[in-house]
Amino acid sequence: DAMVIQNPRYQVTQFGKPVTLSCSQTLNHNVMYWYQQKSSQAPKLLFHYYDKDFNNEADTPDNFQSRRPNTSFCFLDIRSPGLGDAAMYLCATSRNTDYEQYFGPGTRLTVT
Amino acid sequence: GDSVTQMEGPVTLSEEAFLTINCTYTATGYPSLFWYVQYPGEGLQLLLKATKADDKGSNKGFEATYRKETTSFHLEKGSVQVSDSAVYFCALSDRDAGNMLTFGGGTRLMVKP
Repeated sequence: DAMVIQNPRYQVTQFGKPVTLSCSQTLNHNVMYWYQQKSSQAPKLLFHYYDKDFNNEADTPDNFQSRRPNTSFCFLDIRSPGLGDAAMYLCATSRNTDYEQYFGPGTRLTVT
Repeated sequence: GDSVTQMEGPVTLSEEAFLTINCTYTATGYPSLFWYVQYPGEGLQLLLKATKADDKGSNKGFEATYRKETTSFHLEKGSVQVSDSAVYFCALSDRDAGNMLTFGGGTRLMVKP
């Protein structure tokens, strides 16, 4: 089945230790998004790629970076995780920005 | 800017009860409206959508009607099941705001047998 896959589902990292979260898709969608969702809150958009064109939200901290080496994969890099970065990270894709978004299952990040 | 307001939860219902979760929005343009559902420990799943005024989205017994005059998109279901227990997010996508999703705060639904 075509889908959005996120690995790992659960990630534990130490304070200040860089971590990378992975997202892949078999939908061949042009747009890939990364959201941060803290407990009992709505997802917050961090950035998105339209093909290779990177679009950062104005309030996304510099600590968060992203890479999209090809259509299928997109990575979220957190350079120096703080305790406040513990959250669920959701990847989503869409054919275009005006089409519906399909979400992956998320990666729950714990920072110790 | 655009915003979405949902009723606060948790909403606790008995099985087979009628469900309404209120959602109102503010947008500069003519947005598309969505309801997403998030089961425990999972990502978001699109439940239903409506792209223009008076459209009704429906799926799995859930319905919502796009009401431009009241800027609302209330979610309803006639008879809830225990398996409907989840968090429900109302969201909009506004072409005038780059089509990014704006989410409401979410409403947790708990259905008891």
